[in-house]
Amino acid sequence: SAVISQKPSRDICQRGTSLTIQCQVDSQVTMMFWYRQQPGQSLTLIATANQGSEATYESGFVIDKFPISRPNLTFSTLTVSNMSPEDSSIYLCSVEGVAGGTGNTIYFGEGSWLTVV
Amino acid sequence: QKEVEQDPGPLSVPEGAIVSLNCTYSNSAFQYFMWYRQYSRKGPELLMYTYSSGNKEDGRFTAQVDKSSKYISLFIRDSQPSDSATYLCAMTGNYKLTFGKGTLLTVNP
Repeated sequence: SAVISQKPSRDICQRGTSLTIQCQVDSQVTMMFWYRQQPGQSLTLIATANQGSEATYESGFVIDKFPISRPNLTFSTLTVSNMSPEDSSIYLCSVEGVAGGTGNTIYFGEGSWLTVV
Repeated sequence: QKEVEQDPGPLSVPEGAIVSLNCTYSNSAFQYFMWYRQYSRKGPELLMYTYSSGNKEDGRFTAQVDKSSKYISLFIRDSQPSDSATYLCAMTGNYKLTFGKGTLLTVNP
């Protein structure tokens, strides 16, 4: 599996500000994904980021709120814009990998824990 | 009805117990099934991966899939305090995973 590094690992942010989360992978990957895990909830896919094209956002998530960059095959950023307390979550970067020798699955970074005050 | 249902627990067992974690799903398109383990303040770690009905064993862990009943299980034998974590089931028909809410497990020494 790939090694996925995220920065920052945690932060406390002021309401109305924006924060950019960086994700670095130790190998080239085609697809990178950003998930959100709100307190007590499961993981929800925010968007899929492919290098050289616009990110594809899931229902309920928009580019103005969560702009994503994917400048190359090993790096991506997610910005959480104009934050409110409802944005307090774990944000997880993930990549597709091969599991079991046959099918694909998703591997996750350690996550970025954001608290908005 | 949610696509994936998972009992959130919490589940508390004594060390050495057999643990059974379960998920049900409604989408027949799901073909690949995973269990992730998430320690407190850590990212999810892939634990088991299966793509066919039946059992798959890896050490103390056994993943079971019953596609006809749309039901998956994870069994942990001889549970250890280090198994204390949240266990999330996940499934997909392509690359997009759908997760259960996770079950919080505590194994008491």
